[in-house]
Amino acid sequence: NAGVTQTPKFQVLKTGQSMTLQCAQDMNHEYMSWYRQDPGMGLRLIHYSVGAGITDQGEVPNGYNVSRSTTEDFPLRLLSAAPSQTSVYFCASSYSNRAVVGELFFGEGSRLTVL
Amino acid sequence: GQQLNQSPQSMFIQEGEDVSMNCTSSSIFNTWLWYKQDPGEGPVLLIALYKAGELTSNGRLTAQFGITRKDSFLNISASIPSDVGIYFCAGHPPSNYQLIWGAGTKLIIKP
Repeated sequence: NAGVTQTPKFQVLKTGQSMTLQCAQDMNHEYMSWYRQDPGMGLRLIHYSVGAGITDQGEVPNGYNVSRSTTEDFPLRLLSAAPSQTSVYFCASSYSNRAVVGELFFGEGSRLTVL
Repeated sequence: GQQLNQSPQSMFIQEGEDVSMNCTSSSIFNTWLWYKQDPGEGPVLLIALYKAGELTSNGRLTAQFGITRKDSFLNISASIPSDVGIYFCAGHPPSNYQLIWGAGTKLIIKP
């Protein structure tokens, strides 16, 4: 089982460039989410989805877009990258009835640097 | 937004020592969870707590859900080198899907 797969693992962008971080899970999880992790801070929720066609904003959604066209995939788009978006990004998924109590499966992370 | 205060920020310990860390919140949570993150990896769930007062063990790890529902602690007994990493507490508020995370406790074992 692959679990939660994120690509790319590393990316360097210039300010203003756009890119998409990919996330795929093969566990048939309804719930998927994106977090960012910055030094000295806990994980902060960017966007989440409770099923195909349904997305919602988390704590820090500005500068990011998401869509959920299939159960398996939940890409995160940066439309115009800024240095403040330099971070490690994690995708996490779960069954809905486990997500409501916080039990999540995480990918290995995507480290993004914006110059 | 809601915040969790996790302490200590980091710990240097000798192999074989017991470790204790905790999290506190200004508001109540329905669940408390403890995750561990190894370098270059995503967090992995260690223990989940669902009821106030609950005490749960997972091998050498023991965690408790505080009676007030505003705190939790994690103990690791007889630490070993593979315990190195960052331990995060997380709490689930009553309202929605948004899990609230502590800033983490970095565990470093002295050689």
